[in-house]
Amino acid sequence: AQKVTQAQTEISVVEKEDVTLDCVYETRDTTYYLFWYKQPPSGELVFLIRRNSFDEQNEISGRYSWNFQKSTSSFNFTITASQVVDSAVYFCALSGTTGGTSYGKLTFGQGTILTVHP
Amino acid sequence: DAGITQSPRYKITETGRQVTLMCHQTWSHSYMFWYRQDLGHGLRLIYYSAAADITDKGEVPDGYVVSRSKTENFPLTLESATRSQTSVYFCASKIAGESYEQYFGPGTRLTVT
Repeated sequence: AQKVTQAQTEISVVEKEDVTLDCVYETRDTTYYLFWYKQPPSGELVFLIRRNSFDEQNEISGRYSWNFQKSTSSFNFTITASQVVDSAVYFCALSGTTGGTSYGKLTFGQGTILTVHP
Repeated sequence: DAGITQSPRYKITETGRQVTLMCHQTWSHSYMFWYRQDLGHGLRLIYYSAAADITDKGEVPDGYVVSRSKTENFPLTLESATRSQTSVYFCASKIAGESYEQYFGPGTRLTVT
């Protein structure tokens, strides 16, 4: 069985602070994929990043960066110099390949509510 | 409209009634999914489909029925709605293949009274 844990239920920061959202996953698959989605107050789910299990390179996209560490089964997300527009719920998700194709079904964490105050 | 759409966006229904949530995508994606979002649970998979006429259960399928006669449509039916099915429902689609990301519709907020 797969599991994704986002232990931080809510985080509150002041604008321009850096913030890291934690994601820990469990899977028995050797090939799997990790994702981050953003859900702003308007409610839609916005894809942010995909990472496969063979690629442990960290990635940076503007103020966003992701740290994937297989040794600790973690895929953490850092926002540098946070802005009010970053306020949202952030979900980490996992897709495995147990027993052949999984069709990309996602197992989501419970989400972290990030509030950035001006 | 291009992309993935859901209708209705908001629905209030009574316990015991049948209700159908619609999902339509214009990308010709093979895979489609239905999730429900509840506080404290994140999103949980209800049903998914690999192609027209191919569907399978997810984590929480009880009380739901799906069909997929056309690639672009994936309706979700609550046969006899219960209060526990009050939730926000999201439809998603993706390209066939393990690694691709899912793209989500705007969601349907369903209240069962």
